[in-house]
Amino acid sequence: QQPVQSPQAVILREGEDAVINCSSSKALYSVHWYRQKHGEAPVFLMILLKGGEQKGHDKISASFNEKKQQSSLYLTASQLSYSGTYFCGTEWIQGAQKLVFGQGTRLTINP
Amino acid sequence: GAGVSQSPSNKVTEKGKDVELRCDPISGHTALYWYRQSLGQGLEFLIYFQGNSAPDKSGLPSDRFSAERTGGSVSTLTIQRTQQEDSAVYLCASSLVGGEIYEQYFGPGTRLTVT
Repeated sequence: QQPVQSPQAVILREGEDAVINCSSSKALYSVHWYRQKHGEAPVFLMILLKGGEQKGHDKISASFNEKKQQSSLYLTASQLSYSGTYFCGTEWIQGAQKLVFGQGTRLTINP
Repeated sequence: GAGVSQSPSNKVTEKGKDVELRCDPISGHTALYWYRQSLGQGLEFLIYFQGNSAPDKSGLPSDRFSAERTGGSVSTLTIQRTQQEDSAVYLCASSLVGGEIYEQYFGPGTRLTVT
């Protein structure tokens, strides 16, 4: 049961804000966010755990709604460097170490 | 320090041949993961190692796929009798420990093309 990301793609002008959503049909233990630039490896952004603990970038924020089984990634005052494809990875069982990734959200930032 | 490395970076093989893909994780990272990414698609989990053992092999697509890890370090993903649908980028990642808060560090991937 792959998580569903929305939107699939978004185009912004530099300085605008974006929200990327990740929804699961199963109860989640944690949500992980990664960004992948074209032709490069995915890079870690943030982890959110059930219970509220999180670790990640200073300039990127995210929320985790356990009841709704969804997470949202907030990109504010977007910069050109934010362009890329964002993936959420969901972990259903504590310690399972297995992430099921969504299909990705392609973010394009134009000057 | 050195990141995760993978070799080869590109591999073109004929249908039916066997291929081996190699991953060198970051030194000291106990957990190692293999993923597959088809063109324009997300990351498909294949297998996870903790040390040399693989607690979860559920993502391997068929019995043509196998993986091993030796010395708690290097891992090899082997695909036997390759098929065209195996064409994809194979990504390896490692993480420090199998704790609750862990970030995965990805390698550059191996692009496999089966002709």
